[in-house]
Amino acid sequence: NFMLTQPHSVSESPGKTVTISCTRSSGSIASNYVQWYQQRPGSAPTTVIYEDNQRPSGVPDRFSGSIDSSSNSASLTISGLKTEDEADYYCQSYDSSNQMVFGGGTKLTVL
Amino acid sequence: QVQLQESGPGLVKPSETLSLTCTVSGGSISSYYWSWIRQPPGKGLEWIGYIYYSGSTNYNPSLKSRVTISVDTSKNQFSLKLSSVTAADTAVYYCARVTGYCSSTSCLGGYMDVWGKGTTVTVSS
Repeated sequence: NFMLTQPHSVSESPGKTVTISCTRSSGSIASNYVQWYQQRPGSAPTTVIYEDNQRPSGVPDRFSGSIDSSSNSASLTISGLKTEDEADYYCQSYDSSNQMVFGGGTKLTVL
Repeated sequence: QVQLQESGPGLVKPSETLSLTCTVSGGSISSYYWSWIRQPPGKGLEWIGYIYYSGSTNYNPSLKSRVTISVDTSKNQFSLKLSSVTAADTAVYYCARVTGYCSSTSCLGGYMDVWGKGTTVTVSS
């Protein structure tokens, strides 16, 4: 099986842009769709990106997703940071047995 | 809109079986996959498994020997049983609906679009 590795934490100022990476340890990142979930403290996760780069309705276009085969990683980019974006973010994909795999999560601090 | 609600004991003794139910309201359990995910205190998300409304399942290999997920379409519910629990199974347990890139035989790339609020289960004597 493979692992999805995320930075433990990132921080940025309001109004700026931040990118969170999610690197797949083996196999191609393009083999299976990548999703991104936002989890605010004390709340259940919600989806901010699905199928690599699709936004569910209601998610602002400040959130975008991409994959990069050269680095075998997916990225979540949040532009125009707001304090309300402060949360934990998890990437998730599938393995060859169609089993879900989560990244370890990244704590975003907006200071 | 569709809502999910987890229910079950908040305290389970070591070596016993953890049992949780997720009730789906505002929509039908049919034609979707349904998943269980857990989160130990202060840690990240861990996928437990998913089930199609017809009953086919897929489990996390690390938990497969202890996990059973079942569905009751007449009650619009699906359930989780985790046997031989230890303190390491203490977590918030979430149920979720899986949608997107899924077929009738497996979920190839779907995502969780509706989540329950989660229920805390503590394993302790």
